[in-house]
Amino acid sequence: EIVLTQSPGTLSLSPGERATLSCRASQDFSSSYLAWYQQKPGQAPRLLIYGASSRATGIPDRFSGSGSGTDYTLTISRLEPEDFAVFYCQHYGTSKLTFGGGTKVEIK
Amino acid sequence: QVHLVQSGAEVKKPGASVKISCKASGYTFTSYYIHWVRQAPGHRLEWLGIINPSGDDTTYAQNFQGRLTMTRDTSTSTVYMELSSLRSDDTAVYYCARHSYDYIATDSWGQGTLVTVSS
Repeated sequence: EIVLTQSPGTLSLSPGERATLSCRASQDFSSSYLAWYQQKPGQAPRLLIYGASSRATGIPDRFSGSGSGTDYTLTISRLEPEDFAVFYCQHYGTSKLTFGGGTKVEIK
Repeated sequence: QVHLVQSGAEVKKPGASVKISCKASGYTFTSYYIHWVRQAPGHRLEWLGIINPSGDDTTYAQNFQGRLTMTRDTSTSTVYMELSSLRSDDTAVYYCARHSYDYIATDSWGQGTLVTVSS
């Protein structure tokens, strides 16, 4: 069973700064099966990135994903006020979803 | 556009069962699998299982085998998730989410249903 570990747990940044979030897997897998989500308080998760690096429909280009194997990264190039939230990575495999523990991006 | 609308909040006693609905619209219901995911306070998102609305086949997470049942009604484009023998640690927000094979990810989510288990 794949375990996803996200770091850091919390990232304190100011609007306009760059955010770099990490997701590390316990075993190697195809990047096609890695997605990133944003969740704001009281809301459902929203798909940002699929296939490790492709933006979902309507997602601004300040969000980008990269990585392969066991190491994946979500980058927000310049934080906007609406970007502060919790971000999760997700793996899909054999009909099952696995989520990381999340990274909270908070306003410094 | 795609919408998944879930039933309202529930309060249940330990040992009871809860059944949550998820009504789909804006797409062909039988063409997309539906996952159920929950989020307990302070915990990560936890996958419960998946249902194929076309064939009614299901796969459940091992932790919930024996007390989780997913069903669907194609006439109303609705999927259901029933969890039995509820415990206090089943208190969580439960989400349904559509699986996209184009994205290999969940591209639309319901608004969530809070289930509180308390004596």
